[in-house]
Amino acid sequence: AQKITQTQPGMFVQEKEAVTLDCTYDTSDPSYGLFWYKQPSSGEMIFLIYQGSYDQQNATEGRYSLNFQKARKSANLVISASQLGDSAMYFCAMREIVTAGKSTFGDGTTLTVKP
Amino acid sequence: DVKVTQSSRYLVKRTGEKVFLECVQDMDHENMFWYRQDPGLGLRLIYFSYDVKMKEKGDIPEGYSVSREKKERFSLILESASTNQTSMYLCASSLGADRGRGYTFGSGTRLTVV
Repeated sequence: AQKITQTQPGMFVQEKEAVTLDCTYDTSDPSYGLFWYKQPSSGEMIFLIYQGSYDQQNATEGRYSLNFQKARKSANLVISASQLGDSAMYFCAMREIVTAGKSTFGDGTTLTVKP
Repeated sequence: DVKVTQSSRYLVKRTGEKVFLECVQDMDHENMFWYRQDPGLGLRLIYFSYDVKMKEKGDIPEGYSVSREKKERFSLILESASTNQTSMYLCASSLGADRGRGYTFGSGTRLTVV
């Protein structure tokens, strides 16, 4: 069974600094995808970034990058140059190829950016 | 842009009532999902569907059913609402083949059962 672990319930970061949100996963499937989502206080989940298990390069999307360490089964999200609007809850998720598109989510990390 | 629309943002229902949560997406996505979100528990999958009239149980299907009569609409039904079904309900959709795009979520329905 697939499992996602986010060990940081809450994180603080100073505006303009970088922050890393941790995510580890467990799966026996060799083919899977890893995702990060952002949920602001308004409640709507927003897809941020994707990493495939066979991708050689770490994924990047603007200020977001995914530090993918396959042997350690970790997929940490790095946000560079934090902005006040980055304050939100962040969820890591995994989707195995065999599970017809359904994803398993972690419990989330609440990020607060301080001015 | 893909939009996923959930019919109600906030809903208050009485114990024992039959409750319908509606979700509509406008970009011809094959896959649709219903999750519930509770503090400290993350998102838990209730049901999902990868085609019209197809449905699969997720991790917590008890007390729920679903309907997908048209590709764009996926309804979640609480047959007899109970207080432990008070939660935030999130609908999501995705393309069947393109696994790199992630889900598109609706705004959520916060359901309170009294």
